[in-house]
Amino acid sequence: QVQLVQSGAEVKKPGASVKVSCKVSGYTLTELSMHWVRQAPGKGLEWMGGFDPEDGETIYAQKFQGRVTMTEDTSTDTAYMELSSLRSEDTAVYYCATHGFDLWGRGTLVTVSS
Amino acid sequence: DIVMTQTPLSSPVTLGQPASISCRSSQSLVHSDGNTYLSWLQQRPGQPPRLLIYKISNRFSGVPDRFSGSGAGTDFTLKISRVEAEDVGVYYCTQATQFPPYTFGQGTKLEIK
Repeated sequence: QVQLVQSGAEVKKPGASVKVSCKVSGYTLTELSMHWVRQAPGKGLEWMGGFDPEDGETIYAQKFQGRVTMTEDTSTDTAYMELSSLRSEDTAVYYCATHGFDLWGRGTLVTVSS
Repeated sequence: DIVMTQTPLSSPVTLGQPASISCRSSQSLVHSDGNTYLSWLQQRPGQPPRLLIYKISNRFSGVPDRFSGSGAGTDFTLKISRVEAEDVGVYYCTQATQFPPYTFGQGTKLEIK
């Protein structure tokens, strides 16, 4: 059974960075194309970026360009999403999900507060 | 970017009765490969989203057959034939035809009357 296991909740101060992990179990990361979606409290879904299997590259939503970095460690089957220069509006649940959205992690709450 | 617009934003439904959610895209979702990459997600309270329907009308593994999807071009519909208590949550349409980026509808909240 394939699962995406995400890291625990984080509290960060404005201006800091956060790095969220997503470990794949029951499969290997190289067989999946991982994406990241966030959801602010009481709001809808927002795609941040992910691996485009057509081009073989990681692509980012324009809104997050320059502030987000998505990486993978194939030795541990873990994907990472790092968001820098955090502001209060970045308070949200961050999800990893496979391309096509057929599998989701349970989400990681990131709270940005002074 | 393609804009996805859902209606209604809130849908109170009686248990056992049907429910219907519409999704309209700002451009045709027909891909050059002939497929239409329109999916529906369900998000129950306190849970991550879950894939229900992909490519307009294909139910994902484990999805009950009371859920069905239809439509073409720019207009799509998710139907629940008989609403059950476990169907309460928010439903999102999403497109991958013009990817990147993925875009989502605003979400439709399904609640029991």
